[in-house]
Amino acid sequence: DVKVTQSSRYLVKRTGEKVFLECVQDMDHENMFWYRQDPGLGLRLIYFSYDVKMKEKGDIPEGYSVSREKKERFSLILESASTNQTSMYLCASRVGLAGGPRTGELFFGEGSRLTVL
Amino acid sequence: AQSVTQPDIHITVSEGASLELRCNYSYGATPYLFWYVQSPGQGLQLLLKYFSGDTLVQGIKGFEAEFKRSQSSFNLRKPSVHWSDAAEYFCAVGAPFSGGYNKLIFGAGTRLAVHP
Repeated sequence: DVKVTQSSRYLVKRTGEKVFLECVQDMDHENMFWYRQDPGLGLRLIYFSYDVKMKEKGDIPEGYSVSREKKERFSLILESASTNQTSMYLCASRVGLAGGPRTGELFFGEGSRLTVL
Repeated sequence: AQSVTQPDIHITVSEGASLELRCNYSYGATPYLFWYVQSPGQGLQLLLKYFSGDTLVQGIKGFEAEFKRSQSSFNLRKPSVHWSDAAEYFCAVGAPFSGGYNKLIFGAGTRLAVHP
């Protein structure tokens, strides 16, 4: 089974701190994603990476950056955390576009709930 | 650009009753369509997906969904709900080979409560 592991389930940080959220997948997927989940808004895409060292902005990239130095790992970075970044963060992965019928199916981690005080 | 609407924020049903969760999408052609379920404190799990072919698709946990092109809908159904089905359900739409990297757009979710 595909496993997507997010390193921290719960974090509490202070305003202005730098925050790292780590995600690792074990299925050699090319694509990885970071979503933010807020009540009534569903999932909104922050950034995605289609390959190592490659990244593209999603719908709400402001205040975030990402790093993908290895294929299995995708990190979300909050350079200076703010209270409006209190949220649930979900990492996901999938095979690349050439992956045939499975293209488009995302596999999710269990989420990291971040509280910024 | 594609979009997806889930008109119902909360739904409550009795255990054993039938269930239908609505999903409407906006896209110029036939999209990829998905239903995911999120149990409390968990990530999202894929219930079923539609890419092409038979418009009635079967998923896990006894769920099914029907793609209706004329109504731009992909409603999720289950004939008899179990208490363990209480969760949040997300519909998602993707654009097949649009030239970009096939991002999925998610609806706002429908939270299902099940009465015993």
